[in-house]
Amino acid sequence: EIVMTQSPATLSVSPGERATLSCRASQSVSSKLAWYQQKPGQAPRLLIYGASTRATGIPARFSGSGSGTEFTLTISSLQSEDFAVYYCQQYNDWPPITFGQGTRLEIK
Amino acid sequence: EVQLLESGGGLVQPGGSLRLSCAASRFAFSTYAVSWVRQAPGKGLEWVSFISASGGSILYADSVKGRFTISRDNSRNTLYLQMNSLRVDDTAVYYCAKDEGTSGAVFDYWGQGTLVTVSS
Repeated sequence: EIVMTQSPATLSVSPGERATLSCRASQSVSSKLAWYQQKPGQAPRLLIYGASTRATGIPARFSGSGSGTEFTLTISSLQSEDFAVYYCQQYNDWPPITFGQGTRLEIK
Repeated sequence: EVQLLESGGGLVQPGGSLRLSCAASRFAFSTYAVSWVRQAPGKGLEWVSFISASGGSILYADSVKGRFTISRDNSRNTLYLQMNSLRVDDTAVYYCAKDEGTSGAVFDYWGQGTLVTVSS
């Protein structure tokens, strides 16, 4: 099973600033990496797949990068609606499909 | 807009059974793979089970294998999860999630979830 590890667990950033979230895979997942955003009481929302492809309707301030075992989600200028929990997920070698434990992005 | 609507959650005793449903609309349900993903209270996301568009390929997480059964009825645009021998650690919000169409495992649409509580 591929273990996904996200860091940091909590990230405090001010609105308008850049946020950088990290995800590491226990073995290579090539570019088969997705990012999701989840707000309290809501279902997750797909942001990025293929490590760097934005899903339909996702603003350009969200960008993904990386391949192999190291990945980054960058939010270029934080808006109030971006404060949420973010999960990475690998789909290169499954089952099982595995998620990271999440990074909580909070307002500084 | 794609819609996925789960139902069937509730309170059940350990060892009991429950059947979840996910009604799909506004997309060609029969041409997409779908999965169940769960989230224990205050915890992260855990993939539970996958079924291909035709139903010919089915996969489970080890934590539910032998206890849960996924199925679909493409004529009714509905996904199911039969959960038997429920345990306290099965307590979670259960989401159905649609694959984006190429990988089987990128979830572009999710339902709102249904809460399953296993407790005596």
